[in-house]
Amino acid sequence: TQLLEQSPQFLSIQEGENLTVYCNSSSVFSSLQWYRQEPGEGPVLLVTVVTGGEVKKLKRLTFQFGDARKDSSLHITAAQPGDTGLYLCAEVKTSYDKVIFGPGTSLSVIP
Amino acid sequence: NAGVTQTPKFQVLKTGQSMTLQCAQDMNHNSMYWYRQDPGMGLRLIYYSASEGTTDKGEVPNGYNVSRLNKREFSLRLESAAPSQTSVYFCASSESLAGSYEQYFGPGTRLTVT
Repeated sequence: TQLLEQSPQFLSIQEGENLTVYCNSSSVFSSLQWYRQEPGEGPVLLVTVVTGGEVKKLKRLTFQFGDARKDSSLHITAAQPGDTGLYLCAEVKTSYDKVIFGPGTSLSVIP
Repeated sequence: NAGVTQTPKFQVLKTGQSMTLQCAQDMNHNSMYWYRQDPGMGLRLIYYSASEGTTDKGEVPNGYNVSRLNKREFSLRLESAAPSQTSVYFCASSESLAGSYEQYFGPGTRLTVT
Protein backbone atom coordinates (compact mmCIF):
# COMPACT_ATOMS: atom_id res chain seq x y z
CA THR A 1 0.00 0.00 0.00
CA GLN A 2 1.44 3.32 -1.07
CA LEU A 3 1.61 5.85 1.74
CA LEU A 4 1.69 9.60 1.28
CA GLU A 5 3.66 11.60 3.83
CA GLN A 6 3.61 15.36 4.20
CA SER A 7 5.96 17.54 6.18
CA PRO A 8 5.89 19.51 8.27
CA GLN A 9 2.57 18.69 9.86
CA PHE A 10 2.20 22.22 11.24
CA LEU A 11 3.88 25.48 10.22
CA SER A 12 3.42 28.94 11.70
CA ILE A 13 5.25 31.86 10.09
CA GLN A 14 5.20 35.63 9.91
CA GLU A 15 3.73 37.48 6.96
CA GLY A 16 6.38 38.07 4.28
CA GLU A 17 8.43 34.94 5.02
CA ASN A 18 9.08 32.16 2.51
CA LEU A 19 8.25 28.52 3.15
CA THR A 20 8.37 25.08 1.57
CA VAL A 21 6.21 22.05 2.32
CA TYR A 22 6.84 18.54 1.09
CA CYS A 23 4.98 15.48 -0.08
CA ASN A 24 6.66 12.08 -0.33
CA SER A 25 5.61 8.61 -1.39
CA SER A 26 7.01 5.12 -0.97
CA SER A 27 6.55 4.51 -4.72
CA VAL A 28 6.12 6.35 -7.99
CA PHE A 29 3.20 8.70 -8.53
CA SER A 30 1.27 8.51 -11.78
CA SER A 31 0.31 12.13 -11.24
CA LEU A 32 -0.01 14.34 -8.20
CA GLN A 33 -2.34 17.12 -7.16
CA TRP A 34 -2.08 19.90 -4.56
CA TYR A 35 -5.19 21.23 -2.84
CA ARG A 36 -5.73 24.05 -0.33
CA GLN A 37 -8.47 23.82 2.26
CA GLU A 38 -9.56 26.91 4.18
CA PRO A 39 -11.18 26.52 7.61
CA GLY A 40 -14.79 25.35 7.39
CA GLU A 41 -14.66 24.64 3.66
CA GLY A 42 -13.86 21.81 1.27
CA PRO A 43 -10.47 21.54 -0.47
CA VAL A 44 -9.87 23.37 -3.74
CA LEU A 45 -7.45 22.17 -6.42
CA LEU A 46 -4.35 24.33 -6.92
CA VAL A 47 -2.37 22.34 -9.48
CA THR A 48 -1.80 18.92 -11.07
CA VAL A 49 1.74 17.75 -11.96
CA VAL A 50 2.35 14.82 -14.24
CA THR A 51 5.89 14.84 -15.63
CA GLY A 52 9.02 14.15 -13.56
CA GLY A 53 10.95 17.40 -12.96
CA GLU A 54 7.93 19.50 -13.85
CA VAL A 55 7.68 22.97 -12.29
CA LYS A 56 4.45 24.96 -12.23
CA LYS A 57 3.88 28.45 -10.88
CA LEU A 58 0.68 29.96 -9.60
CA LYS A 59 1.37 33.59 -8.61
CA ARG A 60 3.53 33.28 -5.44
CA LEU A 61 3.22 29.48 -5.31
CA THR A 62 5.78 27.23 -7.03
CA PHE A 63 5.12 23.50 -7.34
CA GLN A 64 7.84 21.01 -8.23
CA PHE A 65 7.52 17.33 -9.09
CA GLY A 66 10.60 15.24 -8.33
CA ASP A 67 12.56 13.74 -11.21
CA ALA A 68 11.73 10.23 -10.01
CA ARG A 69 8.07 11.19 -9.44
CA LYS A 70 8.17 10.04 -5.81
CA ASP A 71 8.11 13.46 -4.20
CA SER A 72 6.82 16.98 -4.66
CA SER A 73 7.26 20.35 -3.01
CA LEU A 74 5.23 23.53 -2.70
CA HIS A 75 7.13 26.78 -2.15
CA ILE A 76 5.34 29.98 -1.15
CA THR A 77 7.13 33.29 -1.54
CA ALA A 78 6.29 36.23 0.72
CA ALA A 79 3.47 34.45 2.54
CA GLN A 80 0.29 36.40 3.26
CA PRO A 81 -2.45 35.76 5.84
CA GLY A 82 -4.71 34.66 2.98
CA ASP A 83 -2.39 31.69 2.43
CA THR A 84 -3.48 30.25 5.79
CA GLY A 85 -5.02 26.81 5.42
CA LEU A 86 -4.43 23.09 5.10
CA TYR A 87 -2.30 22.07 2.11
CA LEU A 88 -3.02 18.56 0.88
CA CYS A 89 -1.16 16.54 -1.70
CA ALA A 90 -3.02 13.75 -3.44
CA GLU A 91 -2.12 10.91 -5.77
CA VAL A 92 -4.34 10.35 -8.76
CA LYS A 93 -4.98 6.65 -9.27
CA THR A 94 -6.18 6.78 -12.85
CA SER A 95 -6.76 3.03 -13.12
CA TYR A 96 -9.28 3.19 -10.27
CA ASP A 97 -10.75 6.62 -11.01
CA LYS A 98 -9.96 7.89 -7.51
CA VAL A 99 -7.62 10.17 -5.60
CA ILE A 100 -5.77 9.33 -2.37
CA PHE A 101 -4.91 12.22 -0.06
CA GLY A 102 -1.97 12.79 2.25
CA PRO A 103 -2.45 13.97 5.87
CA GLY A 104 -1.79 17.62 5.01
CA THR A 105 0.34 20.52 6.24
CA SER A 106 -1.50 23.09 8.34
CA LEU A 107 -0.11 26.57 7.59
CA SER A 108 -0.76 29.64 9.68
CA VAL A 109 0.52 33.02 8.44
CA ILE A 110 0.56 35.62 11.18
CA PRO A 111 0.06 39.29 10.18
CA ASN B 1 -24.66 26.66 -10.82
CA ALA B 2 -24.32 25.49 -7.17
CA GLY B 3 -21.54 22.91 -7.72
CA VAL B 4 -21.66 20.25 -4.98
CA THR B 5 -24.23 20.62 -2.21
CA GLN B 6 -24.48 18.62 1.01
CA THR B 7 -27.15 18.32 3.66
CA PRO B 8 -27.25 18.62 6.59
CA LYS B 9 -24.35 20.93 7.54
CA PHE B 10 -24.35 19.82 11.18
CA GLN B 11 -25.76 16.77 12.92
CA VAL B 12 -25.61 15.28 16.42
CA LEU B 13 -26.53 11.61 16.81
CA LYS B 14 -26.68 9.24 19.74
CA THR B 15 -24.87 5.91 19.53
CA GLY B 16 -26.97 3.44 17.57
CA GLN B 17 -29.04 5.98 15.67
CA SER B 18 -29.09 5.99 11.89
CA MET B 19 -28.95 8.80 9.37
CA THR B 20 -28.37 9.55 5.70
CA LEU B 21 -26.08 12.29 4.40
CA GLN B 22 -27.23 13.72 1.10
CA CYS B 23 -25.02 14.98 -1.74
CA ALA B 24 -25.91 16.40 -5.13
CA GLN B 25 -23.86 17.90 -7.99
CA ASP B 26 -25.04 19.92 -10.97
CA MET B 27 -21.87 19.67 -13.10
CA ASN B 28 -22.91 16.49 -14.95
CA HIS B 29 -19.91 14.62 -13.52
CA ASN B 30 -19.73 10.84 -13.79
CA SER B 31 -17.74 10.19 -10.61
CA MET B 32 -18.75 10.95 -7.04
CA TYR B 33 -16.99 10.32 -3.72
CA TRP B 34 -17.50 10.32 0.04
CA TYR B 35 -14.59 11.19 2.34
CA ARG B 36 -14.20 11.64 6.06
CA GLN B 37 -11.70 14.07 7.57
CA ASP B 38 -10.22 13.67 11.03
CA PRO B 39 -7.48 15.80 12.62
CA GLY B 40 -4.02 14.86 11.39
CA MET B 41 -5.33 12.24 8.94
CA GLY B 42 -6.23 14.24 5.86
CA LEU B 43 -9.12 12.96 3.79
CA ARG B 44 -9.89 9.25 3.78
CA LEU B 45 -12.04 7.74 1.04
CA ILE B 46 -15.12 5.89 2.31
CA TYR B 47 -16.90 4.93 -0.92
CA TYR B 48 -16.92 6.14 -4.48
CA SER B 49 -19.01 5.77 -7.61
CA ALA B 50 -17.31 5.92 -11.00
CA SER B 51 -20.63 6.08 -12.82
CA GLU B 52 -24.35 5.89 -12.25
CA GLY B 53 -25.26 2.43 -11.02
CA THR B 54 -21.80 1.48 -9.69
CA THR B 55 -20.22 1.87 -6.26
CA ASP B 56 -16.89 0.72 -4.81
CA LYS B 57 -15.31 0.61 -1.37
CA GLY B 58 -12.56 3.04 -0.45
CA GLU B 59 -10.07 2.95 2.43
CA VAL B 60 -12.55 3.04 5.35
CA PRO B 61 -15.96 1.60 4.27
CA ASN B 62 -16.89 -0.27 7.46
CA GLY B 63 -20.06 1.05 9.12
CA TYR B 64 -21.26 2.87 5.99
CA ASN B 65 -23.43 2.21 2.97
CA VAL B 66 -23.96 4.31 -0.15
CA SER B 67 -26.51 4.74 -2.90
CA ARG B 68 -25.92 6.35 -6.31
CA LEU B 69 -29.53 7.37 -6.82
CA ASN B 70 -28.93 8.92 -10.26
CA LYS B 71 -26.11 10.81 -11.97
CA ARG B 72 -26.62 13.85 -9.72
CA GLU B 73 -27.07 12.30 -6.28
CA PHE B 74 -24.89 10.12 -4.05
CA SER B 75 -25.97 9.44 -0.47
CA LEU B 76 -24.07 8.04 2.51
CA ARG B 77 -25.89 6.09 5.21
CA LEU B 78 -24.82 5.28 8.76
CA GLU B 79 -26.99 2.38 9.90
CA SER B 80 -25.90 2.34 13.56
CA ALA B 81 -23.76 5.34 14.46
CA ALA B 82 -20.72 4.92 16.72
CA PRO B 83 -18.58 7.58 18.45
CA SER B 84 -15.70 6.60 16.13
CA GLN B 85 -17.76 7.99 13.25
CA THR B 86 -17.59 11.52 14.69
CA SER B 87 -15.94 13.40 11.85
CA VAL B 88 -16.39 15.91 9.05
CA TYR B 89 -17.81 14.27 5.94
CA PHE B 90 -17.13 15.63 2.45
CA CYS B 91 -18.76 14.71 -0.80
CA ALA B 92 -16.90 15.35 -4.05
CA SER B 93 -17.39 14.87 -7.76
CA SER B 94 -15.05 14.73 -10.75
CA GLU B 95 -15.12 14.21 -14.49
CA SER B 96 -12.39 11.64 -15.06
CA LEU B 97 -13.41 11.08 -18.68
CA ALA B 98 -11.92 14.50 -19.43
CA GLY B 99 -8.59 13.31 -17.99
CA SER B 100 -8.64 15.94 -15.29
CA TYR B 101 -9.50 14.05 -12.08
CA GLU B 102 -10.00 17.41 -10.34
CA GLN B 103 -12.14 16.83 -7.28
CA TYR B 104 -14.88 19.39 -6.60
CA PHE B 105 -15.90 19.34 -2.96
CA GLY B 106 -19.04 20.24 -1.08
CA PRO B 107 -18.95 22.33 2.12
CA GLY B 108 -18.99 19.30 4.43
CA THR B 109 -21.23 17.81 7.12
CA ARG B 110 -20.00 18.01 10.70
CA LEU B 111 -21.23 14.92 12.53
CA THR B 112 -20.95 14.26 16.26
CA VAL B 113 -21.92 10.89 17.73
CA THR B 114 -22.35 10.86 21.50
